[in-house]
Amino acid sequence: EAGVAQSPRYKIIEKRQSVAFWCNPISGHATLYWYQQILGQGPKLLIQFQNNGVVDDSQLPKDRFSAERLKGVDSTLKIQPAKLEDSAVYLCASSFSSGATNEKLFFGSGTQLSVL
Amino acid sequence: DQQVKQNSPSLSVQEGRISILNCDYTNSMFDYFLWYKKYPAEGPTFLISISSIKDKNEDGRFTVFLNKSAKHLSLHIVPSQPGDSAVYFCAARAGTASKLTFGTGTRLQVTL
Repeated sequence: EAGVAQSPRYKIIEKRQSVAFWCNPISGHATLYWYQQILGQGPKLLIQFQNNGVVDDSQLPKDRFSAERLKGVDSTLKIQPAKLEDSAVYLCASSFSSGATNEKLFFGSGTQLSVL
Repeated sequence: DQQVKQNSPSLSVQEGRISILNCDYTNSMFDYFLWYKKYPAEGPTFLISISSIKDKNEDGRFTVFLNKSAKHLSLHIVPSQPGDSAVYFCAARAGTASKLTFGTGTRLQVTL
């Protein structure tokens, strides 16, 4: 079974530039998550999709971050414009459904973003 | 507001000995807890979980203990192996369809 695919693996940009990350979840997984992991911290949920609808985006800085999941499959996360504090690993995860308490998330390898 | 806390940033254990990783939480609504393991340049992978209706769950060398009254859980690895060297994250969920809240992680180093 193929895992969660993410690209690119690394990205270096200057502040105020734009950047986009792509994620393809495990086939059949209805729920897709974007997490931000800043060095020395645990992953923090930015946005959760159920199919192509947003379930939770309460911690997404909507003035600069946007995400979409067209057709309920793959997803893109965009930052425009980037700030220095956006330097982090951006992790995409997927799960079969969000209806079970014991649901497990499967993570991709992440995109390491450095904003200079 | 850090609802899930892992107060030990790092832990070093000799091969063959027991590793004990600790996690504390503040939200009494959390009812499901998971441990994830992360190697460098990889995403976290699920390791073991426990429901709040249990106080222990075991899977091979890995055992998770939950003390609800103390809002504390721990992961025991026996015996520890060099391949266990990784960062371990504790995560918690409050009810169905709710987000996972992660701790800051503990880096485990298993030495020969």
